[in-house]
Amino acid sequence: DTEVTQTPKHLVMGMTNKKSLKCEQHMGHRAMYWYKQKAKKPPELMFVYSYEKLSINESVPSRFSPECPNSSLLNLHLHALQPEDSALYLCASSPGTGVSGEQYFGPGTRLTVT
Amino acid sequence: QKEVEQNSGPLSVPEGAIASLNCTYSDRGSQSFFWYRQYSGKSPELIMSIYSNGDKEDGRFTAQLNKASQYVSLLIRDSQPSDSATYLCAVLEGGYQKVTFGTGTKLQVIP
Repeated sequence: DTEVTQTPKHLVMGMTNKKSLKCEQHMGHRAMYWYKQKAKKPPELMFVYSYEKLSINESVPSRFSPECPNSSLLNLHLHALQPEDSALYLCASSPGTGVSGEQYFGPGTRLTVT
Repeated sequence: QKEVEQNSGPLSVPEGAIASLNCTYSDRGSQSFFWYRQYSGKSPELIMSIYSNGDKEDGRFTAQLNKASQYVSLLIRDSQPSDSATYLCAVLEGGYQKVTFGTGTKLQVIP
């Protein structure tokens, strides 16, 4: 299995809702990432997990809460989002023992906050 | 703030020509460099990595690195309409803590 999967593909949520994004990989990668990408912009790093521990939080607002239940799974819990949080949320993983530039991306979750 | 800069384009080339995409970076401590391709509405896909000065070839793609000039480039030979996409340059910062992406260059290959 050489892919990263993400669910759901699309999500529409109100500003008072709580929802979660899910990411899964079975490549044995020990680093996993969450990115946010707005239209015509590059991916913007949010969080990095290395060996299931949060190693980087790029000053992301607390309404985004990451979780890494095991080495294959990564979740992003969403609560009280704002319309400007609407974006494509990408999960990625990489081989090796730490952060790497050789990242494998999932297809993304397109989030719309109403 | 460590920066990775690319010309946003669009860069238009005729089918069969060589497309040349350029990237400069600010962090002199960076050692690892990557090119990703992103089709419209899709996620980025890694196409090349380069770690040493010089050229690295993979099929129709050649990555070039000049650390002294802090410059990375990607050449696509025999460009095809299917190469039309945004190409993102990515740099692993010194200290291996984070990958910074450039803003991307949109390539259009005209049949």
